[in-house]
Amino acid sequence: QVQLQESGPGLVKPSQTLSLTCTVSGGSISSGSYYWSWIRQPAGKGLEWIGRIYTSGSTNYNPSLKSRVTISVDTSKNQFSLKLSSVTAADTAVYYCARNIVLMGLNWFDPWGQGTLVTVSS
Amino acid sequence: NFMLTQPHSVSESPGKTVTISCTGSSGSIASNYVQWYQQRPGSAPTTVIYEDNQRPSGVPDRFSGSIDSSSNSASLTISGLKTEDEADYYCQSYDSSIGNVVFGGGTKLTVL
Repeated sequence: QVQLQESGPGLVKPSQTLSLTCTVSGGSISSGSYYWSWIRQPAGKGLEWIGRIYTSGSTNYNPSLKSRVTISVDTSKNQFSLKLSSVTAADTAVYYCARNIVLMGLNWFDPWGQGTLVTVSS
Repeated sequence: NFMLTQPHSVSESPGKTVTISCTGSSGSIASNYVQWYQQRPGSAPTTVIYEDNQRPSGVPDRFSGSIDSSSNSASLTISGLKTEDEADYYCQSYDSSIGNVVFGGGTKLTVL
């Protein structure tokens, strides 16, 4: 079955850009009509959707983060990536990637990667 | 903006039944499907209910979901509680008006 794995630096300095990659295994990122999403969770808090990409390159972002987020896809590597600019301590969180099933009225995340902790600190 | 509100915590004894609510702030919660995720400490969320009331394969039928349009809420019911059900549970839907995914704040289930 499809599995996802996040990778990237665990420590980012304030005002810099956070960069993460999600590698999809067990299936092609281009097969099926799936979107691919990033979701984050600060320690002890709830889940926040960051944005998603379709393999065509079409993207949708959380309006509250839109000005700082870029999600891209590399189908040749079966990967998609997240860039979050101008980070502050408030961006410290566990970042998850997930397959996003989008159909009429349905917006469902399954499966999820294991998550990676990113700390913003000087 | 559309928000989903969950109780912060619930607790119940093993073998009993518990229901976790997820109330929509505006509009109709029935406009988009609701999903429920289980998150154990230190782990990623996993789906227990999708499309309001569907169970993925491997999720026991002790888990069920429903929608109540009159109260604009969704519910997750877990019967025959086991200690392994102790986890955080999140509801999730979609705000079509602004194109944003919405999560509830999460409910910590304690089975004692």
